Amino acid sequence: GAGVSQSPSNKVTEKGKDVELRCDPISGHTALYWYRQSLGQGLEFLIYFQGNSAPDKSGLPSDRFSAERTGGSVSTLTIQRTQQEDSAVYLCASSFASGSYNEQFFGPGTRLTVL
Amino acid sequence: GNSVTQMEGPVTLSEEAFLTINCTYTATGYPSLFWYVQYPGEGLQLLLKATKADDKGSNKGFEATYRKETTSFHLEKGSVQVSDSAVYFCALNVNNFNKFYFGSGTKLNVKP
Repeated sequence: GAGVSQSPSNKVTEKGKDVELRCDPISGHTALYWYRQSLGQGLEFLIYFQGNSAPDKSGLPSDRFSAERTGGSVSTLTIQRTQQEDSAVYLCASSFASGSYNEQFFGPGTRLTVL
Repeated sequence: GNSVTQMEGPVTLSEEAFLTINCTYTATGYPSLFWYVQYPGEGLQLLLKATKADDKGSNKGFEATYRKETTSFHLEKGSVQVSDSAVYFCALNVNNFNKFYFGSGTKLNVKP
């Protein structure tokens, strides 16, 4: 079966523009996670969805960041008024259910470059 | 707070050498520990995990033991291969909540 897919794979944008990053999780996976990986840094947790709801938004770095998930499937991460420090690889992962006993399957990521 | 610290890379080894990548953690609750691997051009994938103290996770010849007394989860392999060249991430989950904490990754280069 298909794995987690993300689009676009690369995105170059100008400072101040808005961007949307998309994640298609594995079919049937109820939990979905967004992470950010900056150069030389580990994965930084951004947000977690269980179904369509986001019980944990604690990792979103500012109010310029938002995410939604519709139909318990596709998720979109939106960054408004992008800044250069937003440049990173944005990773999406899904799992059958939430919690540490369920393996997360990661997508290939979207590399965002803000000029 | 909750965090993971792993050794900085890159680590360069010859084929068949012994590998250790150190990982230590701090946790405010009950931890589960993971190692993920990212091969060149691929997404992260789970390598092994341990969900309680003294458990040993193992997969593909890699092992890691959850040591509560030293708050460590070091990754080891007795004989590395060129195909093991990848970036390895140590990760932590606390109290089976849904937030995972990742280390910064350690790049391993194995030379023939």
